[in-house]
Amino acid sequence: GQQLNQSPQSMFIQEGEDVSMNCTSSSIFNTWLWYKQDPGEGPVLLIALYKAGELTSNGRLTAQFGITRKDSFLNISASIPSDVGIYFCAGSTGANSKLTFGKGITLSVRP
Amino acid sequence: GAVVSQHPSWVICKSGTSVKIECRSLDFQATTMFWYRQFPKQSLMLMATSNEGSKATYEQGVEKDKFLINHASLTLSTLTVTSAHPEDSSFYICSARDIGTVDEQFFGPGTRLTVL
Repeated sequence: GQQLNQSPQSMFIQEGEDVSMNCTSSSIFNTWLWYKQDPGEGPVLLIALYKAGELTSNGRLTAQFGITRKDSFLNISASIPSDVGIYFCAGSTGANSKLTFGKGITLSVRP
Repeated sequence: GAVVSQHPSWVICKSGTSVKIECRSLDFQATTMFWYRQFPKQSLMLMATSNEGSKATYEQGVEKDKFLINHASLTLSTLTVTSAHPEDSSFYICSARDIGTVDEQFFGPGTRLTVL
């Protein structure tokens, strides 16, 4: 089946640094979504992308929908301790279809 | 907006009993809700898609008679784990798709099930 690739599994950064996360696929997706999950909680939607090439910001977060529709990245600028968590990318092939999730990247921020 | 609640947030039960988990969209209508299962340090695994007014669609390998899903209204879906066993212990998360959006799914806070 379809899979989204996220690596590395864990990232460690210093508070104040920027960090970029990538998500790739062997097949095309029409929608890319980025979620953050804190321990013991459900994922929270950060950014949704609907058009190839689209660049969208949400505060310190910026995400882009790759022009080939096979990848997306998420940038976090000026990281703070509360950015700690697991970041999942998810893709959808069309309206009303299921989401395919990546395995997630665990972000740690050193104060 | 786009708030999804789950109840209970955690439950401990004895082996052989059944447990019902509720998923509600609080400020929007959802014709489709999804039920996921998540093991520690792993991604979300889709169990079934719950459609309002019709039968749920289960993913391959998920027993429909064990995980009963009912989606009786546009704001409520329930998952019942029947005759629970310790291997059913997990974190169960629901999500709901807003009737007014295309692909965005909004997740509940999850339910931690522990079967003794």
